[in-house]
Amino acid sequence: GAVVSQHPSWVICKSGTSVKIECRSLDFQATTMFWYRQFPKQSLMLMATSNEGSKATYEQGVEKDKFLINHASLTLSTLTVTSAHPEDSSFYICSARDSRWSGTEAFFGQGTRLTVV
Amino acid sequence: LAKTTQPISMDSYEGQEVNITCSHNNIATNDYITWYQQFPSQGPRFIIQGYKTKVTNEVASLFIPADRKSSTLSLPRVSLSDTAVYYCLVGALNRDDKIIFGKGTRLHILP
Repeated sequence: GAVVSQHPSWVICKSGTSVKIECRSLDFQATTMFWYRQFPKQSLMLMATSNEGSKATYEQGVEKDKFLINHASLTLSTLTVTSAHPEDSSFYICSARDSRWSGTEAFFGQGTRLTVV
Repeated sequence: LAKTTQPISMDSYEGQEVNITCSHNNIATNDYITWYQQFPSQGPRFIIQGYKTKVTNEVASLFIPADRKSSTLSLPRVSLSDTAVYYCLVGALNRDDKIIFGKGTRLHILP
C-alpha cells in the first residue's frame, strides 16, 4: 500500500523554540494532506488541511500563526510549531490520499512525538 | 459527515472472535464505512472499507446491514497483538474530504 512518512519520529525542544515536522507521500502524489494532534488516551483531533500551492485551512480553535503549514510540493507538507510551549507537547500525525483517485482510503504517517521542556 | 458511535472499550481473550459495532444513523447515500486500527504511538492503519453487505480481507470482515445505519467489524481469532484502538469512520471518500475521528473502541486482548 501507499506510504506516508513523517520525520522526525520524536523530538524534544526547549520552550520558546520552533520545531518543524515533515510529512512525505513516498509513492503517490497528494494535493491535500491533513494534520492531526493526539493527546494521551484521546482520539485524533484534526488541526488543519494542507493544500498544495495554497494556504492551509485550519480547524476552529487552532492558531494558524502558531502552527505554520507549508505544502510546497505534491509529496511534501510541513508543520512548524512556533514558539513551542509545554502545552504543545503531543503526538502529531499527518495523512494523505492519492490525488489520482477518488474512493480510496487515507494513509497515515507514523506520527511525531513532540516534547517541549 | 455522519457521526459514529462505538463502545468505548472491549475486552476479549486470545483465540476468540471479536465483533465491534458502530452506529451511524445519519449515513448519506454516497458515504463509505472505513475502519482503522491504531497502536500506541503509531499512526492509524487502514483495516477494511465497505459500502454495503459484507466485505472480507485477510485481516477482518465488515458486515453492513441493508439500512446501512450500523456496521460490525469482525476480527477472527484475535491475538494479543490485536490490542489497539479501532476507529469507525463514515464519509464520501472524496480526495479532499476531511477525515474526522470519533472516540474509537479500545480493544484489550487478554491471554
